[in-house]
Amino acid sequence: DTGVSQNPRHKITKRGQNVTFRCDPISEHNRLYWYRQTLGQGPEFLTYFQNEAQLEKSRLLSDRFSAERPKGSFSTLEIQRTEQGDSAMYLCASSLGQGLTFSGANVLTFGAGSRLTVL
Amino acid sequence: AQTVTQSQPEMSVQEAETVTLSCTYDTSESDYYLFWYKQPPSRQMILVIRQEAYKQQNATENRFSVNFQKAAKSFSLKISDSQLGDAAMYFCDLWEGGSEKLVFGKGTKLTVNP
Repeated sequence: DTGVSQNPRHKITKRGQNVTFRCDPISEHNRLYWYRQTLGQGPEFLTYFQNEAQLEKSRLLSDRFSAERPKGSFSTLEIQRTEQGDSAMYLCASSLGQGLTFSGANVLTFGAGSRLTVL
Repeated sequence: AQTVTQSQPEMSVQEAETVTLSCTYDTSESDYYLFWYKQPPSRQMILVIRQEAYKQQNATENRFSVNFQKAAKSFSLKISDSQLGDAAMYFCDLWEGGSEKLVFGKGTKLTVNP
């Protein structure tokens, strides 16, 4: 297992186009997170899955954003009708959670990120 | 709402010297964890050190240690014997009990001078 893999690493698109990012977590990890990081800022939480269930979504995740994790393994993050403000690094992370309760063992392993540039 | 503040946008240190990165946080929860993550240029974020709020003893990982002041809501990171490979963005993070996400500070860019 080589860790959390994200593809593509870079995406340049024109405003109004749709883009999709894929995240392959560590195989035994049941939790998967998406974060967005803009220049000069810390990552901001977007959404989180426990297995295939999407359990929490940030208000940052507008109607143009949709995330899925259909079989509890890889996840996709789709942005429809991209805007210049969507330009950012999209980070995926995974962890091995224990049920639905808070656990300090939830140390996140991050991928290298997918950088989106909207022209 | 939980917040994490890193007041030093940039810091620099000479190789082999010691540097301390500052972090303050705010939470109304009694059950929480604090983390420092490191993000090297163009590479993924990795965990440096973790502190459980209920533990009074400061966490230590080799050259990295924290000064956890719970009453002051302060969580600083000390890097001893700094190495060139320590150059990175360092993020202070909070994970509250009952929440399922890390809240990040804005980060501190650390430069290590040879």
